[in-house]
Amino acid sequence: QQPVQSPQAVILREGEDAVINCSSSKALYSVHWYRQKHGEAPVFLMILLKGGEQKGHEKISASFNEKKQQSSLYLTASQLSYSGTYFCGTDNAGNNRKLIWGLGTSLAVNP
Amino acid sequence: EADIYQTPRYLVIGTGKKITLECSQTMGHDKMYWYQQDPGMELHLIHYSYGVNSTEKGDLSSESTVSRIRTEHFPLTLESARPSHTSQYLCASSEVMQYFGPGTRLTVT
Repeated sequence: QQPVQSPQAVILREGEDAVINCSSSKALYSVHWYRQKHGEAPVFLMILLKGGEQKGHEKISASFNEKKQQSSLYLTASQLSYSGTYFCGTDNAGNNRKLIWGLGTSLAVNP
Repeated sequence: EADIYQTPRYLVIGTGKKITLECSQTMGHDKMYWYQQDPGMELHLIHYSYGVNSTEKGDLSSESTVSRIRTEHFPLTLESARPSHTSQYLCASSEVMQYFGPGTRLTVT
């Protein structure tokens, strides 16, 4: 039931791109993406709703493929500030009451 | 701006002591959550609430208890702390997205 995130870890040089995937074995109503920096609490990035919607904020965007039960987070022209652990949380019940969290993807951006 | 507060931020306590971790939010959210997270690891949901007088156990079995007497307040209590309870505890509230508090880092000696 727990969504599977891939890759588990990625190391980038500043300016490079990365894709983080979140796959579920159950139907998805929404997917939430959060970033957690070392020693801090998770911070909301974006939510993807049922319908194949793609959302974006500056150089971070995401897609949601309902048929594949998968969401992908795209980080383009990465900056040092993108470093952290990225978690996806899935709503499989359609009521947005609680999220099922992936194990996280550790992203390190080096100069 | 999301306002959710947790106290204390750090707590070192001996085995067998009773502790209460406080969580308050000023956003009027009905949904609140408690997570346990070891550094760099996954988020484990231990308790959640959909509103006043409603509490549910999460996916991770926990010896803690919670109460929700007021919308803004969701304290977590450990009756008898043990070294295995050493971890970070994160509180969150939600209308659509979840807003997390800064966390309480608990060490039981």
